[in-house]
Amino acid sequence: NAGVTQTPKFQVLKTGQSMTLQCAQDMNHEYMSWYRQDPGMGLRLIHYSVGAGITDQGEVPNGYNVSRSTTEDFPLRLLSAAPSQTSVYFCASRSHSYGYTFGSGTRLTVV
Amino acid sequence: QQQVKQSPQSLIVQKGGISIINCAYENTAFDYFPWYQQFPGKGPALLIAIRPDVSEKKEGRFTISFNKSAKQFSLHIMDSQPGDSATYFCAALRTGTASKLTFGTGTRLQVTL
Repeated sequence: NAGVTQTPKFQVLKTGQSMTLQCAQDMNHEYMSWYRQDPGMGLRLIHYSVGAGITDQGEVPNGYNVSRSTTEDFPLRLLSAAPSQTSVYFCASRSHSYGYTFGSGTRLTVV
Repeated sequence: QQQVKQSPQSLIVQKGGISIINCAYENTAFDYFPWYQQFPGKGPALLIAIRPDVSEKKEGRFTISFNKSAKQFSLHIMDSQPGDSATYFCAALRTGTASKLTFGTGTRLQVTL
């Protein structure tokens, strides 16, 4: 039982490049979400999904895009990377009892 | 606007001592308050959680105290151990299908020998 799997673990992008951060869960959770973690700011919600085909914006959605075609996968796309998007990104899924399971994170640097 | 305020930012406690981390929230619609523990290079992991119908919840050395009228809650780590050294986040959410977990800014705890 892998839980929440994120790939890649590390990534360096040049300003203006695009990329997709992958997230997959094997717990059949309907709810999935993406957070970014920055020093002194905790974790901030980027986008979330309450089920396949349904997504919504969180606190800091600008510059990011998501889709949810299956229950298992919830990829996060950076459309045109900017240095302000340098961060650690966490994907999480949530059970019906509100227990969140987080992945191990993707450390992204935009130069 | 920080909906969940957490203090202190960092904390150093001697082995065997009590670690106390405090959080305050503004949104009275929040009805679930978890604490997460994060080790370097790892994602946050649920430590303990409480709902506002109780004033205290204890699991082993970890206790949440909840004060609904003051809109405050705290984490107490009894008999702190070096293995407890990590970053701790309080969080809050309003339960429901589209609930969103709102985090505090984190407390870096170091337990010294």
